[in-house]
Amino acid sequence: KQEVTQIPAALSVPEGENLVLNCSFTDSAIYNLQWFRQDPGKGLTSLLLIQSSQREQTSGRLNASLDKSSGRSTLYIAASQPGDSATYLCAVRRSMYSGGGADGLTFGKGTHLIIQP
Amino acid sequence: DVKVTQSSRYLVKRTGEKVFLECVQDMDHENMFWYRQDPGLGLRLIYFSYDVKMKEKGDIPEGYSVSREKKERFSLILESASTNQTSMYLCASSLWVVSYEQYFGPGTRLTVT
Repeated sequence: KQEVTQIPAALSVPEGENLVLNCSFTDSAIYNLQWFRQDPGKGLTSLLLIQSSQREQTSGRLNASLDKSSGRSTLYIAASQPGDSATYLCAVRRSMYSGGGADGLTFGKGTHLIIQP
Repeated sequence: DVKVTQSSRYLVKRTGEKVFLECVQDMDHENMFWYRQDPGLGLRLIYFSYDVKMKEKGDIPEGYSVSREKKERFSLILESASTNQTSMYLCASSLWVVSYEQYFGPGTRLTVT
């Protein structure tokens, strides 16, 4: 059964720092990996999607990498801002052939990020 | 822009009531999903549907059912609500193509008393 782990669970850094959020998954049979942002009490906003054949994706100050063979992804945030404060979730789209709940996303529990002004 | 809407942001129901949570998407997506989110447990897949009238169980389908009579609408049904179904419920949609990303609605916070 696929398990997704995110480290650290919480992170607090001063504004302007570059930071890295980590995500690991146990089963490399994935279609893609998606990073989301969630603000308190709100839904999920998709940040980046990496296909299983890709190594990285970039959007503005965000860069996500994927090493499928080792079951790891990182989300790099450059020049952090207070508006980046949120919970960041990593999710993998499971293979149709992995059995049981053949589609959908498996989520990590998230990293709660606070950027101090 | 893809838009996924959910019928209620907050809902309070009594134990034993039948509860309907509605989700509508406006991008002609084939796939629709229901997740619940709980502190310490994260998001977990309840059910998904890849076409009208088609449904598949996710990881935690017990106590829930779903209905998809039209492509744009996916309903989650709690046949007899219980207190352990108090949670945040999130709906998502995506194209049939597995490489496509999932888009989420704003969520419904359901409290069962």
